[in-house]
Amino acid sequence: DAMVIQNPRYQVTQFGKPVTLSCSQTLNHNVMYWYQQKSSQAPKLLFHYYDKDFNNEADTPDNFQSRRPNTSFCFLDIRSPGLGDAAMYLCATSSIQGRETQYFGPGTRLLVL
Amino acid sequence: GQSLEQPSEVTAVEGAIVQINCTYQTSGFYGLSWYQQHDGGAPTFLSYNGLDGLEETGRFSSFLSRSDSYGYLLLQELQMKDSASYFCAHNTNAGKSTFGDGTTLTVKP
Repeated sequence: DAMVIQNPRYQVTQFGKPVTLSCSQTLNHNVMYWYQQKSSQAPKLLFHYYDKDFNNEADTPDNFQSRRPNTSFCFLDIRSPGLGDAAMYLCATSSIQGRETQYFGPGTRLLVL
Repeated sequence: GQSLEQPSEVTAVEGAIVQINCTYQTSGFYGLSWYQQHDGGAPTFLSYNGLDGLEETGRFSSFLSRSDSYGYLLLQELQMKDSASYFCAHNTNAGKSTFGDGTTLTVKP
């Protein structure tokens, strides 16, 4: 089945220690998104890619970076995690023609100690 | 800016009908989507309105009125498994999605 996969499902890191979250998709979608979701809050868009075209949200901290080496893979790098970065990180994809429908991965829950 | 408002909580009984409203303020409006998210899970797409009117998908329907900047999700024949959070999300013509804060639906026996 075509899907969006995120690894790992749970990630524990130390304050200030860089961490990378990964996302892969078999849907062959051009658009990939990274969201941050804190408990009982809405998913908040961090950035998205149209193919290799990177689009950063204005209020996304510089601490968050992303890479998309090819259509299938996208990475979220948190350079110096703080306690406030503990959250669920959701990857999603959509086709350019069907941007209203996003397909989400299961998420990676990040814990910062 | 972009903003969406929806009720924080709704409670209903099994078999009932419930309507979750969403009002929005945005520029470059492209359409309104609805997502369901169970506790600990990922959002799952439910429905989309790009034009005014009603879209029906099984027990779930969604409505949009562009002139009123308003939409709703209608859930019929409620089941216990429908207990979840429901998010409206508007899409802009730049391809961005902004989510509302979500409505927690509790279905009681």
